[in-house]
Amino acid sequence: GAGVSQTPSNKVTEKGKYVELRCDPISGHTALYWYRQSLGQGPEFLIYFQGTGAADDSGLPNDRFFAVRPEGSVSTLKIQRTERGDSAVYLCASSLIGGGADTQYFGPGTRLTVL
Amino acid sequence: QKEVEQDPGPLSVPEGAIVSLNCTYSNSAFQYFMWYRQYSRKGPELLMYTYSSGNKEDGRFTAQVDKSSKYISLFIRDSQPSDSATYLCAMSGNNNDMRFGAGTRLTVKP
Repeated sequence: GAGVSQTPSNKVTEKGKYVELRCDPISGHTALYWYRQSLGQGPEFLIYFQGTGAADDSGLPNDRFFAVRPEGSVSTLKIQRTERGDSAVYLCASSLIGGGADTQYFGPGTRLTVL
Repeated sequence: QKEVEQDPGPLSVPEGAIVSLNCTYSNSAFQYFMWYRQYSRKGPELLMYTYSSGNKEDGRFTAQVDKSSKYISLFIRDSQPSDSATYLCAMSGNNNDMRFGAGTRLTVKP
């Protein structure tokens, strides 16, 4: 079956602009996660959704970052007033029910470059 | 000190060698231990999953967890050039608190 998909695969923007990154999870997965991976580092947790609600947003670095999942499926990560330090690969993952024991499946990521 | 420590390498071995990768961690609440493989410009893919202490074998791959030492390992036997990738250790407790190591970049030379 189809895996997690993310669009766009690459996004180049200018400092100060607004960007949206989209994630389509595996069908039927109730849990969805966003991570950020900087060069030479492992993925860093940003936010976790269970259904439509953000169950844990403790990883969002500041209030410029926001994510939604209005129908419990597709999610959008939104970044306002982008800064050069936001440049990274943004990964989305989904799992069947959530929780530490549940396997997370990752998408290919969106490579964001802020000039 | 980071919650999960992993030597970033790079590690280069000849084809057929046994590869040993490892991570240490500080959070005793971690119970689930994973190894992900990540090819260049791709998302991480789950390679091995272990609950609590012990060993798990899958083909050429063996994962070991020693909770008393807070130390996990991944062994790759008969390494192949196609194993060249970055290997990420990851671990979590009962909550959705998965933490990753920095990843070790492995190159297997033909």
